Amino acid sequence: DQQVKQNSPSLSVQEGRISILNCDYTNSMFDYFLWYKKYPAEGPTFLISISSIKDKNEDGRFTVFLNKSAKHLSLHIVPSQPGDSAVYFCAASARGGATNKLIFGTGTLLAVQP
Amino acid sequence: ETGVTQTPRHLVMGMTNKKSLKCEQHLGHNAMYWYKQSAKKPLELMFVYSLEERVENNSVPSRFSPECPNSSHLFLHLHTLQPEDSALYLCASSRSGSTDTQYFGPGTRLTVL
Repeated sequence: DQQVKQNSPSLSVQEGRISILNCDYTNSMFDYFLWYKKYPAEGPTFLISISSIKDKNEDGRFTVFLNKSAKHLSLHIVPSQPGDSAVYFCAASARGGATNKLIFGTGTLLAVQP
Repeated sequence: ETGVTQTPRHLVMGMTNKKSLKCEQHLGHNAMYWYKQSAKKPLELMFVYSLEERVENNSVPSRFSPECPNSSHLFLHLHTLQPEDSALYLCASSRSGSTDTQYFGPGTRLTVL
């Protein structure tokens, strides 16, 4: 049973508009959430994270929102640029344990059209 | 060289071969990880090493054998693999084994014939 779900396998957005990528999780013990971006033939690159004590974290064009009651997080990219076209993975962990075990979603392929 | 590097980037091997994947991190981190990414599946954690001790083995078959000789290097020794083991194998590192963000290498694309 997947604990982290990204239900949209792909998303297409016009350049300059907002991209919204969604992620749902089932484990209430998760307290740290991350977004990674992956280009073809490269490893995932860390993008932004959020702790469960916050509901929003912003870094430049990227903002992550966390709704703990709904067990839902989203990544907003504004404005979207063609270079943002990549696969975006959501990941979650329960920190404070012996290991930092990240549970990943299946990813969403974002295509930003010029 | 900076970040996390992996060699080789691509590997084709037969089911009777023995090969090794290598990962090196230049970030001064203390924890290293092996992940497997198969088509249309989430990244799956295979092994975690913290301060050179294996702290997690995620029910991985014994035909995969990790080795962490020091905090900068991690190997994955492969023997008698199956075609279904074909996947992208990713290495990652973090400052500690419990709380910090993981940084990934580019991966090794493995094909088992």
